[in-house]
Amino acid sequence: DTEVTQTPKHLVMGMTNKKSLKCEQHMGHRAMYWYKQKAKKPPELMFVYSYEKLSINESVPSRFSPECPNSSLLNLHLHALQPEDSALYLCASSHAGLAGGPNQETQYFGPGTRLLVL
Amino acid sequence: GQNIDQPTEMTATEGAIVQINCTYQTSGFNGLFWYQQHAGEAPTFLSYNVLDGLEEKGRFSSFLSRSKGYSYLLLKELQMKDSASYLCAVRLHTGGFKTIFGAGTRLFVKA
Repeated sequence: DTEVTQTPKHLVMGMTNKKSLKCEQHMGHRAMYWYKQKAKKPPELMFVYSYEKLSINESVPSRFSPECPNSSLLNLHLHALQPEDSALYLCASSHAGLAGGPNQETQYFGPGTRLLVL
Repeated sequence: GQNIDQPTEMTATEGAIVQINCTYQTSGFNGLFWYQQHAGEAPTFLSYNVLDGLEEKGRFSSFLSRSKGYSYLLLKELQMKDSASYLCAVRLHTGGFKTIFGAGTRLFVKA
């Protein structure tokens, strides 16, 4: 099973709403990632969790709050977002070996959640 | 700073060969990836190079020269379904798991 699942597929929210994006993988990966991708732009790294601990926060505004409740799940809690936060939010996972070869380095992406903030 | 450059768009004919180039200047290097992304879909892994040379996988090959900060993705026997964006990505040797992506090259395959 090389699948990363994300829910919901689409989300429309107002600037005062609170919502959560969910990501799940059952490949035994211990590194999980959140990326933000605007149209015709590359994915931009937001957060990385390694062994359920936050290892990278790319200076993301606090209105985005990640959570990794266990090794298979990754959440992104959203609160008081702005219209410019509208984007495709991609979750990815990989093995977390420090000296790994291709299979350990490869990130597997979920289908993404397309978010629209009104 | 970190910089990855790729051509914005390329057009090629079905059945032909196309080479997509990528140059990078990064603080640290721990591997280069190529991903394919169809419009509205997630990126999918194509290839990985960490040592100099050519890696071949079916119709796709990827080349790396670390001294030149240069890679290319070679697609042979092009098919219409190969029309997509191709993302060059560099994994940084930061002790973490940071991978930065180029802006991608949109490939159009015409009949």
